[in-house]
Amino acid sequence: DAGVIQSPRHEVTEMGQEVTLRCKPISGHDYLFWYRQTMMRGLELLIYFNNNVPIDDSGMPEDRFSAKMPNASFSTLKIQPSEPRDSAVYFCASSLARRANTGELFFGEGSRLTVL
Amino acid sequence: AQKITQTQPGMFVQEKEAVTLDCTYDTSDQSYGLFWYKQPSSGEMIFLIYQGSYDEQNATEGRYSLNFQKARKSANLVISASQLGDSAMYFCAMREYYNTDKLIFGTGTRLQVFP
Repeated sequence: DAGVIQSPRHEVTEMGQEVTLRCKPISGHDYLFWYRQTMMRGLELLIYFNNNVPIDDSGMPEDRFSAKMPNASFSTLKIQPSEPRDSAVYFCASSLARRANTGELFFGEGSRLTVL
Repeated sequence: AQKITQTQPGMFVQEKEAVTLDCTYDTSDQSYGLFWYKQPSSGEMIFLIYQGSYDEQNATEGRYSLNFQKARKSANLVISASQLGDSAMYFCAMREYYNTDKLIFGTGTRLQVFP
């Protein structure tokens, strides 16, 4: 089975530009998580979805960040306008519901964003 | 509030020796899971081992074992017979199953294995 697929793997953009990161979770998974990883702040949970519905977006840093999950096989994380401090690796992860197994998260390879 | 603490920013171990990476947690949930992930320099997140809050026995997966002490709220990872390929960042994580169902990570421990 294909794992979690993220695109793009690398993105370099200029401050003020819109950035869209994409994620395809593992088929059949109920949960989708977006994390941001930086040296200073480690792995931060930004938002997560259950059955395509956002459950907790308290980790989204500012209104410049938004995330959607229009269907079970696709999610986007958008930053508009981007700023240099948004430079990070953004991970998407998916999992089954707890009743089905341990609740282990399967991660994509990450999208490395650099904002100049 | 849900919280994970890893107090060791870095650890060194000689090849073939065992090493323990510390993790403590805090939660008000009665049902939760504890996880360890490995992140090599290539950047991917690799799941290593899981322990459920109701599991009475410590989890083991090959050379990895989880020393689960529920009363002390600790979930230390033990790597036996370290290999050079074990050099990586190691993250402890917790997922609450009743309160929030979200998974949060500790700050990580960088393990260096030397010959």
